[in-house]
Amino acid sequence: QVQLVQSGAEVKKPGASVKVSCKASGYTFTAYYMHWVRQAPGQGLEWMGWINPNSGVTNYAQKFQGRVTMTRDTSISTAYMELSRLRSDDTAVYYCARLDGYGSGSYYTWFDPWGQGTLVTVSS
Amino acid sequence: DIQMTQSPSSLSASVGDRVTINCRASQSISSYLNWYQQKPGKAPNLLIYAASTLESGVPSRFSGSGSGTDFTLTISSLQPQDFATYYCQQSYSTPYTFGQGTKLEIK
Repeated sequence: QVQLVQSGAEVKKPGASVKVSCKASGYTFTAYYMHWVRQAPGQGLEWMGWINPNSGVTNYAQKFQGRVTMTRDTSISTAYMELSRLRSDDTAVYYCARLDGYGSGSYYTWFDPWGQGTLVTVSS
Repeated sequence: DIQMTQSPSSLSASVGDRVTINCRASQSISSYLNWYQQKPGKAPNLLIYAASTLESGVPSRFSGSGSGTDFTLTISSLQPQDFATYYCQQSYSTPYTFGQGTKLEIK
């Protein structure tokens, strides 16, 4: 079955960096864009950006430009999201999510499946 | 950026009730609208895509409607496992944005 498995929880100090991995299985990794979404404690969902696993091309939300780097390793079907210069308000669960879709002309897309989430805690 | 606004933010209902959750986009997004269910400590789960298409395996008591700027998620007869938080999300343009969520609680 299609599955995304993320790396474990992290605790980081302010100013540090964190790198979260997302290993895909059950489908052709390079055929679907991978997105990253985060959720602060008790808050809603915030889109961070995407990577095209085939080409490595990325697109980041303006809020994270300059601090986020999305990469991939096609040999092990794994996507990565690295966030630098961490602040306390970066404490959140970080999700990877595959972008699926259909259509010709109008192409509809949605996130499915999602990884199980990785809690990143930023604290001194 | 396209702003997504859900209403209500929270809702108390009983098993068997019919429930409606609304989602409004700040500009027209045609039918580029998805709905997700999230339970505590879990990742969001896709319910409906393209405004009204039920994801495979999702019970038929869930339905979606709308186009343009106004959308609705309806649960025809609430079941105990439906108590969760629901999010709408637009896929019309990046940055993809979500509504703030509607928490559905047991009355």
